[in-house]
Amino acid sequence: GESVGLHLPTLSVQEGDNSIINCAYSNSASDYFIWYKQESGKGPQFIIDIRSNMDKRQGQRVTVLLNKTVKHLSLQIAATQPGDSAVYFCAENILAAGNKLTFGGGTRVLVKP
Amino acid sequence: SQTIHQWPATLVQPVGSPLSLECTVEGTSNPNLYWYRQAAGRGLQLLFYSVGIGQISSEVPQNLSASRPQDRQFILSSKKLLLSDSGFYLCAWSVQWGQGVTWEQFFGPGTRLTVL
Repeated sequence: GESVGLHLPTLSVQEGDNSIINCAYSNSASDYFIWYKQESGKGPQFIIDIRSNMDKRQGQRVTVLLNKTVKHLSLQIAATQPGDSAVYFCAENILAAGNKLTFGGGTRVLVKP
Repeated sequence: SQTIHQWPATLVQPVGSPLSLECTVEGTSNPNLYWYRQAAGRGLQLLFYSVGIGQISSEVPQNLSASRPQDRQFILSSKKLLLSDSGFYLCAWSVQWGQGVTWEQFFGPGTRLTVL
């Protein structure tokens, strides 16, 4: 079946550097994407979302890029901080089919001091 | 503001025992409600999805069931737990399609279930 996947399971980043987390999706009908952050033992927290009619969206220290041609989604975190250490999930949705997200497997980000 | 509660936070149960996990949402009405399971070090698997009272969709065959007795209450149950039911159970809510400008799902704090 179609699914969302990730290229890198673990990403080590030096504090202060920028982080880039990648995600590949295979369902070309998906029109809504979300990035979540999950800290150990907690529920996922919303970071940023993007609809398929956009290529880029920026939040506070985060940017999501969507490349529909190659079905690729990325999350960029600027000036990575120790508090950014967590597992990051991308998720996709087809809005008209109901709000049911399909989650990728997750990428662990480790920030080194 | 909206909040979502889950309890208990942790639970250790013997194989073959029953299960009841509860989730409630405050500050919104007629939400979509979801139950997910997360195995250690893995992603989230959607178990059940509800668009209204008494309306439950099961996403994967399993040993669990869900009920929605009230608009903002979602319960996950089992009559006899299996070892494979161990995991981190997350409840989430979202607005109904067409009722908002964002469609993110908001997650509860989760219940860590260990079946021994």
